[in-house]
Amino acid sequence: GAGVSQSPSNKVTEKGKDVELRCDPISGHTALYWYRQSLGQGLEFLIYFQGNSAPDKSGLPSDRFSAERTGGSVSTLTIQRTQQEDSAVYLCASSLVWSRELETQYFGPGTRLLVL
Amino acid sequence: AQSVTQLDSHVSVSEGTPVLLRCNYSSSYSPSLFWYVQHPNKGLQLLLKYTSAATLVKGINGFEAEFKKSETSFHLTKPSAHMSDAAEYFCVVRDNTGRRALTFGSGTRLQVQP
Repeated sequence: GAGVSQSPSNKVTEKGKDVELRCDPISGHTALYWYRQSLGQGLEFLIYFQGNSAPDKSGLPSDRFSAERTGGSVSTLTIQRTQQEDSAVYLCASSLVWSRELETQYFGPGTRLLVL
Repeated sequence: AQSVTQLDSHVSVSEGTPVLLRCNYSSSYSPSLFWYVQHPNKGLQLLLKYTSAATLVKGINGFEAEFKKSETSFHLTKPSAHMSDAAEYFCVVRDNTGRRALTFGSGTRLQVQP
């Protein structure tokens, strides 16, 4: 079956603009995660969804970042008033949560965001 | 709290020689441990995972890792490197009593020389 897909694959925007990044998880996966990969900070967790709710938003770096998930499927990560330090690869992962111990997260190819 | 230390940022080996990528972890409880690989401009692919079953874990492409609780280590090995193994490798930990988010190491870039 299809893996996790993300769109766009690349996004170039101007400082101050808003951007939306999309993630389509593997069908049937109830858990969805967003991570960010940047040169200075490595791979960092942003937010976790279980179904449509987000029990862990602790990784969102500022209130300019928000995310939602609808229908227990597609998720959108929105960055408002983008800054140059937001430039990074944004990765989405999904999992079928049987148990915490057995959970495996499967990653999409990422969206490479460049803020000029 | 959980953390991961990958002891080498770069490792270079010759094709056909063994690979050793070192990882130490810190976790307040019995963790799950993973190795992911990232080829240039590609997403993260799961190589293998440890979840409290056998301490020696076999993964894809001939890689394996051994969980050593006494040493808090989870080193990744392969008997014979192939050119296609050149990539970035991430050691990852998750504390199974805490948050579900993964904590990544800083990565080890593996170069394979012909």
